[in-house]
Amino acid sequence: EPEVTQTPSHQVTQMGQEVILRCVPISNHLYFYWYRQILGQKVEFLVSFYNNEISEKSEIFDDQFSVERPDGSNFTLKIRSTKLEDSAMYFCASSDLGQNTGELFFGEGSRLTVL
Amino acid sequence: AQRVTQPEKLLSVFKGAPVELKCNYSYSGSPELFWYVQYSRQRLQLLLRHISRESIKGFTADLNKGETSFHLKKPFAQEEDSAMYYCALSWQGGSEKLVFGKGTKLTVNP
Repeated sequence: EPEVTQTPSHQVTQMGQEVILRCVPISNHLYFYWYRQILGQKVEFLVSFYNNEISEKSEIFDDQFSVERPDGSNFTLKIRSTKLEDSAMYFCASSDLGQNTGELFFGEGSRLTVL
Repeated sequence: AQRVTQPEKLLSVFKGAPVELKCNYSYSGSPELFWYVQYSRQRLQLLLRHISRESIKGFTADLNKGETSFHLKKPFAQEEDSAMYYCALSWQGGSEKLVFGKGTKLTVNP
């Protein structure tokens, strides 16, 4: 069964460093998402991506964040200058129909620890 | 603003007992409601959605617009139901995001 894959599973970085989290969505899906979950808190929407552009982003997704689909398979989240409060589990998800009517398929997550 | 509330952080029942995980939402329009589940060491996955009115693994959930609730129920809990359960909301009208509740950790004891 096809799955969303994410790398790395865990990354430790120093405050101020750039981080790139990678995701390979399910191949025939058209909608891509990043969510994050700070320890003990709820899963929060960051950004959605469709047709090679951002379709929606939350207030969390400020200028320090960017997403890219550099080729036909990868979907990346970049944090330019990490802050302590960026420490969280980051989930990538993809969907074939969009999340209103379709099912979101999540990756296992990338745990980011900012020191 | 859209909001999902799951009042119970932890819920513990014995095997064979009925279980109900509560979910209330705040949205004035026509919502789409979902339950997602995360078993130990597994990824978040869709359990069921209100629009399809289905029963998955013995679980059902009915959307009650009057009470703005979407409680998840199962008449006889099994040990393998132990997991983290998240209620989530989306809506028609162009928004692409899912709003999640904080989740309820269900433990089914033998």
